[in-house]
Amino acid sequence: SQQGEEDPQALSIQEGENATMNCSYKTSINNLQWYRQNSGRGLVHLILIRSNEREKHSGRLRVTLDTSKKSSSLLITASRAADTASYFCATDAAAHAGGTSYGKLTFGQGTILTVHP
Amino acid sequence: ETGVTQTPRHLVMGMTNKKSLKCEQHLGHNAMYWYKQSAKKPLELMFVYNFKEQTENNSVPSRFSPECPNSSHLFLHLHTLQPEDSALYLCASSQEGRGRAYEQYFGPGTRLTVT
Repeated sequence: SQQGEEDPQALSIQEGENATMNCSYKTSINNLQWYRQNSGRGLVHLILIRSNEREKHSGRLRVTLDTSKKSSSLLITASRAADTASYFCATDAAAHAGGTSYGKLTFGQGTILTVHP
Repeated sequence: ETGVTQTPRHLVMGMTNKKSLKCEQHLGHNAMYWYKQSAKKPLELMFVYNFKEQTENNSVPSRFSPECPNSSHLFLHLHTLQPEDSALYLCASSQEGRGRAYEQYFGPGTRLTVT
């Protein structure tokens, strides 16, 4: 299965409710990132959490990371219709080529969030 | 606006055509990426360029040919594509350092349809 698998695949809630999405991964990571994508558009970076961090906040977003369980969760509080989008987690593992060390993100399949007004 | 632009936004091409996708980043980043996004599949990394040097070719068929003339521009040349190559092609850039992947900034994508 894929590095960075989101759960659930789809989530439908009412405005004002909280939305929680989970991500599991398999290998050691340097950091884990969450992105958002509106239909047919590019991804937008939301938040990055490093492997030595356990929790991070940004506005209505709260991300947790449990490296022992190789999992992360994204919580969106007080959701709005405008939060409707796909949400992806991406894990960073170092890669090497020709003597160069570079970062490489591996994305999960995403959670489709629908917030009903 | 993320500082990464892509043209064209939509492209329809026949299997015998040759076309190119263009990406430009205005962020001063040192790394650029091509991704393919197909329905019901995770985002697939195709190519990575660091300081204009290709550091990743993720087993991409030779009908896709990348070009990075400088650290701000990235092209994807397409020829003799197959219908299964129809997808959203996303370009991204980031500032890389010491083997770590930091936040990537994505363009709006090119929706490619191969007929």
